[in-house]
Amino acid sequence: NAGVTQTPKFQVLKTGQSMTLQCAQDMNHNSMYWYRQDPGMGLRLIYYSASEGTTDKGEVPNGYNVSRLNKREFSLRLESAAPSQTSVYFCASNLHQEDGYTFGSGTRLTVV
Amino acid sequence: GQQVMQIPQYQHVQEGEDFTTYCNSSTTLSNIQWYKQRPGGHPVFLIQLVKSGEVKKQKRLTFQFGEAKKNSSLHITATQTTDVGTYFCAGRDSGYSTLTFGKGTMLLVSP
Repeated sequence: NAGVTQTPKFQVLKTGQSMTLQCAQDMNHNSMYWYRQDPGMGLRLIYYSASEGTTDKGEVPNGYNVSRLNKREFSLRLESAAPSQTSVYFCASNLHQEDGYTFGSGTRLTVV
Repeated sequence: GQQVMQIPQYQHVQEGEDFTTYCNSSTTLSNIQWYKQRPGGHPVFLIQLVKSGEVKKQKRLTFQFGEAKKNSSLHITATQTTDVGTYFCAGRDSGYSTLTFGKGTMLLVSP
């Protein structure tokens, strides 16, 4: 049972480049989330998908887009990367919105 | 918007000493969750508290939810080096469906 799988684990981008972070869960969870973690800032919600077919903005959505491709997959896209988007990105999921989250192992992104 | 504050930001203890981290919300919470993140790792769900005044224990860890449902604490008795990591609280406002995380307390345990 893999849980929540994120790819890639590491990525270096140049300013202005685009990329998509992939997230897949095999627990039949309904809700999925994207967080970013910066030193001293804790975890901040970027976007979430309460159920298949829906997405909503979180606390820091600017510069990002998401797609809930199906129940298993929730991707995060950076259209034009900026150095301020250098961070560790975590995907998480839960069966019901009030449950605890299962996190993926993260993507460490550096934008130069 | 909802804010969740955690103190202290950092604590360094000797193995065997106790440790407590506190979490305070600007609003009344419907529930609060606690997570542990090891260095270089990802957050791992520990527990959820829902009821006013609730106390739950997991071995050496004791979790409390305040009577007013605006604060919570995590107490570790007799710390071990395996307790090293950052502990996050995360609260859910009654009017929101997502969690707001505190900035975490980093615990370092020296042998």
